[in-house]
Amino acid sequence: GAGVSQSPSNKVTEKGKDVELRCDPISGHTALYWYRQSLGQGLEFLIYFQGNSAPDKSGLPSDRFSAERTGGSVSTLTIQRTQQEDSAVYLCASSSASGYPRDGYTFGSGTRLTVV
Amino acid sequence: DQQVKQNSPSLSVQEGRISILNCDYTNSMFDYFLWYKKYPAEGPTFLISISSIKDKNEDGRFTVFLNKSAKHLSLHIVPSQPGDSAVYFCAAEKAAGNKLTFGGGTRVLVKP
Repeated sequence: GAGVSQSPSNKVTEKGKDVELRCDPISGHTALYWYRQSLGQGLEFLIYFQGNSAPDKSGLPSDRFSAERTGGSVSTLTIQRTQQEDSAVYLCASSSASGYPRDGYTFGSGTRLTVV
Repeated sequence: DQQVKQNSPSLSVQEGRISILNCDYTNSMFDYFLWYKKYPAEGPTFLISISSIKDKNEDGRFTVFLNKSAKHLSLHIVPSQPGDSAVYFCAAEKAAGNKLTFGGGTRVLVKP
């Protein structure tokens, strides 16, 4: 597609439920990133996928968080047993090997997750 | 441990004047710096970047300055326009690190 697509755009879930957030990166972009932005905060790195390499999971805040990237394209971020502190905007981004870092990432519009 | 800091949470400027946004970092391993702009309910969009081997990069109304000895960078917007009203994030990347560390953002309001 023309841009990075994320779904759903909004998700309200009850505490303790599992959620899945989807990201469809720009076609041909080999790198995919997940960040989150809590209210009034900057962007916090979660996980990074590059081609077929093992993902960099160093930013995942707990073992309740996991992500996978199937076929080098679409990615799913899963949060198990959601807690209220998980409420944030979850942003996905992708980049091409040739354009990064000079041209930065291209971000999606994000998924606003609210845990009630 | 905030490695990238934007100490001004907000900035108000008159249309046509200069907006100066500041960013400080602590990690000397950062070798690439970027600025992003974010409107409400949208993802951040890339504005301009600078390599650590340079001290200035210009793109239209946007200029980024890097002072490595002070571990400080700034973004100048001249002239400021009402459409520039947004939150601006600076970000930094370590060599071959492939992930960005972001500052907390500065909200800019350009008054007509």
